[in-house]
Amino acid sequence: AQSVTQLDSQVPVFEEAPVELRCNYSSSVSVYLFWYVQYPNQGLQLLLKYLSGSTLVESINGFEAEFNKSQTSFHLRKPSVHISDTAEYFCAVMGTGGFKTIFGAGTRLFVKA
Amino acid sequence: DGGITQSPKYLFRKEGQNVTLSCEQNLNHDAMYWYRQDPGQGLRLIYYSQIVNDFQKGDIAEGYSVSREKKESFPLTVTSAQKNPTAFYLCASSLAGRGNEQFFGPGTRLTVL
Repeated sequence: AQSVTQLDSQVPVFEEAPVELRCNYSSSVSVYLFWYVQYPNQGLQLLLKYLSGSTLVESINGFEAEFNKSQTSFHLRKPSVHISDTAEYFCAVMGTGGFKTIFGAGTRLFVKA
Repeated sequence: DGGITQSPKYLFRKEGQNVTLSCEQNLNHDAMYWYRQDPGQGLRLIYYSQIVNDFQKGDIAEGYSVSREKKESFPLTVTSAQKNPTAFYLCASSLAGRGNEQFFGPGTRLTVL
């Protein structure tokens, strides 16, 4: 079985500042890892995912996440945030032998002008 | 455009009534999912289906029912047995196989009066 812990429920940050959203997971098997973003009153959209290979994965809008197997973490970072990045971000894990996805409780990112 | 549609966007129900939430996808995905989202709890899996005419209970199936008669459609019925049905409901779909991300609909917000 897998579980996901997002260490911060809310992260306020000023525009153009860097941000890190933390995610730790627990699993007895190898995993795939995902970050999804949800804008208010909408469904989730995939931001980026780690399947294998390079431990650093990037999204098209400047976010990146690094898979750290020894620390069982998959933190999401962006060097400079925009107002439009205000949303809720979900970390998720899937065991490589299955297909069910386990979601974290979410981190609400609030970017202030 | 390919995607997932959910209807209605907002739904109000009186206690004791059953209600059905619609989910349709034209992505040709084999797998479909229903999640419930409550503030601070992330997404919890209600039911999932990997193929037509087959579905399995998720983590919180009590008080819910589904059908999968067509590949494109996966309706969810919230029955009167569900004790606390007020929530945001999200439908998703994915390709079969390992490591595939889920594509989400815009959600239905159900309020029980």
